[in-house]
Amino acid sequence: AQKVTQAQTEISVVEKEDVTLDCVYETRDTTYYLFWYKQPPSGELVFLIRRNSFDEQNEISGRYSWNFQKSTSSFNFTITASQVVDSAVYFCALSEASTGKLIFGQGTTLQVKP
Amino acid sequence: DVKVTQSSRYLVKRTGEKVFLECVQDMDHENMFWYRQDPGLGLRLIYFSYDVKMKEKGDIPEGYSVSREKKERFSLILESASTNQTSMYLCASSLGGRVITEQFFGPGTRLTVL
Repeated sequence: AQKVTQAQTEISVVEKEDVTLDCVYETRDTTYYLFWYKQPPSGELVFLIRRNSFDEQNEISGRYSWNFQKSTSSFNFTITASQVVDSAVYFCALSEASTGKLIFGQGTTLQVKP
Repeated sequence: DVKVTQSSRYLVKRTGEKVFLECVQDMDHENMFWYRQDPGLGLRLIYFSYDVKMKEKGDIPEGYSVSREKKERFSLILESASTNQTSMYLCASSLGGRVITEQFFGPGTRLTVL
């Protein structure tokens, strides 16, 4: 069965600290997609990144970076020099190519204090 | 700018009432989804639709039904609302086809059933 685990329920950091959000997934498919979404206090989920299972290159976008490792079934998200505006709930999700359905992790609440 | 709208941000209903949650997208997307979000459980898929008049059960369809009469509109129906259906409901849409693309989410409807 497909499953996404975000073991960190809540993380609190002080502004400018680096923080890594963990995501571990389970799937039997060889073709799948991984996503990260951000849910700020306003409630609307914002898409951050999509990665397919054949592309293990890490990605950097400004202060955000993602580390995809198939060997450990992990897709971790790092925010460098965190800011108060990064405070949100972050969701990792898995979509199998065969179904297209998204399976979400439980979410990690990040609080960045000034 | 892509847009998914939901008919209400907040809704209060009584046990046993029939409840309609409406979702409209303006991106000409084939796929539409309904999720509920509960603390500690992440987002769970209720129903989804790949095309007009088509619907598929998600992971937690019990107590819900859906309707998709037009491509841009996907309605979630609670036939007889119960208190355990108090939750945040999120609608999403995505492109169809063989490549799995990101889902775009609406702002959510916070439903309280008394």
